This record gives sequence, structure tokens and C-alpha cells, in this order.
Amino acid sequence: DAGVIQSPRHEVTEMGQEVTLRCKPISGHNSLFWYRQTMMRGLELLIYFNNNVPIDDSGMPEDRFSAKMPNASFSTLKIQPSEPRDSAVYFCASSTISGTGPNQPQHFGDGTRLSIL
Amino acid sequence: AQKVTQAQTEISVVEKEDVTLDCVYETRDTTYYLFWYKQPPSGELVFLIRRNSFDEQNEISGRYSWNFQKSTSSFNFTITASQVVDSAVYFCALTSTGFQKLVFGTGTRLLVSP
Repeated sequence: DAGVIQSPRHEVTEMGQEVTLRCKPISGHNSLFWYRQTMMRGLELLIYFNNNVPIDDSGMPEDRFSAKMPNASFSTLKIQPSEPRDSAVYFCASSTISGTGPNQPQHFGDGTRLSIL
Repeated sequence: AQKVTQAQTEISVVEKEDVTLDCVYETRDTTYYLFWYKQPPSGELVFLIRRNSFDEQNEISGRYSWNFQKSTSSFNFTITASQVVDSAVYFCALTSTGFQKLVFGTGTRLLVSP
């Protein structure tokens, strides 16, 4: 079975450019998460979708960051304009939530290593 | 607020040694879930185990075992007869029922030398 698929794997761009990260969750999963990993701050949850609806975006650093999930099989995380401090590894994860049922593990993509020059 | 503490920043062992990675958590919820993830040098995050707060039985999977103790709020991970391929950063994580915000610890880097 295909896991969570992220693209691109690596992105190098100049400050001020728009960056779009893409994620395809595992088929059948109804929850999608975007994380950022840096040496200084570790793994941080940026935003969480359930059934394509953003539930909690309190982790989004600032207005330069935006995320969408137009359908159950695709999500984007956009940074505009990008800054050097946005350099990090961005992970997408997906899972299944069934109301008050047991929380299923989140399965992560391989991540996008983003470098802003 | 929920919190996960992995006090060991880095551990170095020689192959075939046993090693235990510590995880201490804080939560006010009575129902919660604990996880361990492995991040090898290639960078991906690999799910290892999930444990819910009502199940304190220890679990063994091959060379891996987990010790969950609610009395000390700990969920420790032991690798028996470590191998070089076990070298990775290991993360402990916590979440509660419903909203699946995973709170991660800072990770423990395990270096296994031949």
C-alpha cells in the first residue's frame, strides 16, 4: 500500500519566492497534518485537517503560511513570501479519526527539505 | 497542557548492548495514547508502537520492548542486542482522544557502533 506521498523531496529557493509543498495522504485516512522540524524547535504541528476541513491552525507561524485541502487526496502548504528562517523539513502525516474511538497512529511522509537562501 | 520529556539527548552503545530510552509524559486526561517513532538518518519518521492509557501491559516485538507505567508517567523503550541499523533518533509522543494533536518529545539520538 502506498504511504503518504510528499513532493518535492528537496526545495531550494531564494528569499521572497513562493513555495508550495504538496501531500497525498494514505487512501481512506480522514485526517491530515502538517509538521515542521527544525533543530531549534523540534517537531511542531502547523495545521490539522479532518475531513478536508481545517480544525486547528494555531501552529501556523504567521500569515505568510497557508494550507489547503481541496479534496481527500491532496493538500498543499504554501509559504509566500518565503524567508530564510522558514528553512526546515516539512512533514505531512495522515491518520484515521473515528469520533471518540481509539486514536490511530499518524503515518508520515518522507518530508520536504526546504532551504531558503 | 500535555508534555513529553526525553531527558537523554544522545546515547552511544556498542553493538549487542541493550539500551533503554526514557520517556516521561504529563497530561491531565484520563484517556490518552502514547507512541514511539523512529527517525533514521534518511530522515523519514517511522511509527513503532501505540499504547493507550488503559493498557499497562508491557509489549515485546522482536528485539524491541516497551514498559508503560502510569504510576511514574513513563513509557520507556528498550532495544535488546542493539544493532548498527538501530542508529536513529527516537521520538516519544502523546495525544488524547478525539483531537489528534501529537505532542512530541525532543527525541533521543541513539548511536550504535560496530
